[in-house]
Amino acid sequence: GDSVTQMEGPVTLSEEAFLTINCTYTATGYPSLFWYVQYPGEGLQLLLKATKADDKGSNKGFEATYRKETTSFHLEKGSVQVSDSAVYFCALENTGNQFYFGTGTSLTVIP
Amino acid sequence: DTAVSQTPKYLVTQMGNDKSIKCEQNLGHDTMYWYKQDSKKFLKIMFSYNNKELIINETVPNRFSPKSPDKAHLNLHINSLELGDSAVYFCASSQDFRVEAFFGQGTRLTVV
Repeated sequence: GDSVTQMEGPVTLSEEAFLTINCTYTATGYPSLFWYVQYPGEGLQLLLKATKADDKGSNKGFEATYRKETTSFHLEKGSVQVSDSAVYFCALENTGNQFYFGTGTSLTVIP
Repeated sequence: DTAVSQTPKYLVTQMGNDKSIKCEQNLGHDTMYWYKQDSKKFLKIMFSYNNKELIINETVPNRFSPKSPDKAHLNLHINSLELGDSAVYFCASSQDFRVEAFFGQGTRLTVV
C-alpha cells in the first residue's frame, strides 16, 4: 500500500543553517505530495505541495522537488530562522480517500 | 472566517464517560476526515467521509462513531472512554483528490 518514510528527528540547527529533511514515498500511480508544518499547540498547515513529477513546491523559503525516479520529496531551506521551529510532516494523497503521513520531524532552531 | 473548526479545543473527562467532538468546514469540500495524533506526533487516519458517506473506517474500536449530518459537518462520538484514547484528534477536509487538506486546530482529549 501507499506509505511515506520520513527522516527521524529531532533536528537542532543554529540560525541561518541549511536544512534538509528527507522524505521518500511508496505509491501506485501518480500521487500528489505535500509538506505540512505543525507549530506547538496548533493544527497542521500546508507548507508546500507538488502534483506531478519534476514539480517544485515552494513557500516561505522552503522548497521540495517531486522526484519520481527516486520516489523522493525532500524539504530544504537555505537559511533557517528561530520561527521555523516546528514539526514537519511529509504526506501523499493518491485516491481521494486519505492522506498518508510520515512520522514527523521535529526541528528546533537556536539563535 | 475559520475554514475548519473543531470544538472543544480541550476535553478532560473520566474513564467510562461518553463525549463528542464537533467539526464544521465552510470551504464547500466534499471529503472530511478524522485523524488521531498520538504523543509521538504520529498521525493515523480514523475515518474518511465523502458527501456524507463513509469511505474509510480504519481499525478503530467501535466505541468511536462518526456522524455526518451534512457534508459540512463531521462529528465524532466516543463511548466508554479509556485511558488509551487520550490524544489529539484532528478534523480535516479536502475537495477532490490529490489536492491539499485543511486541518482544524485539534481537540486535545485527556482521559483520567
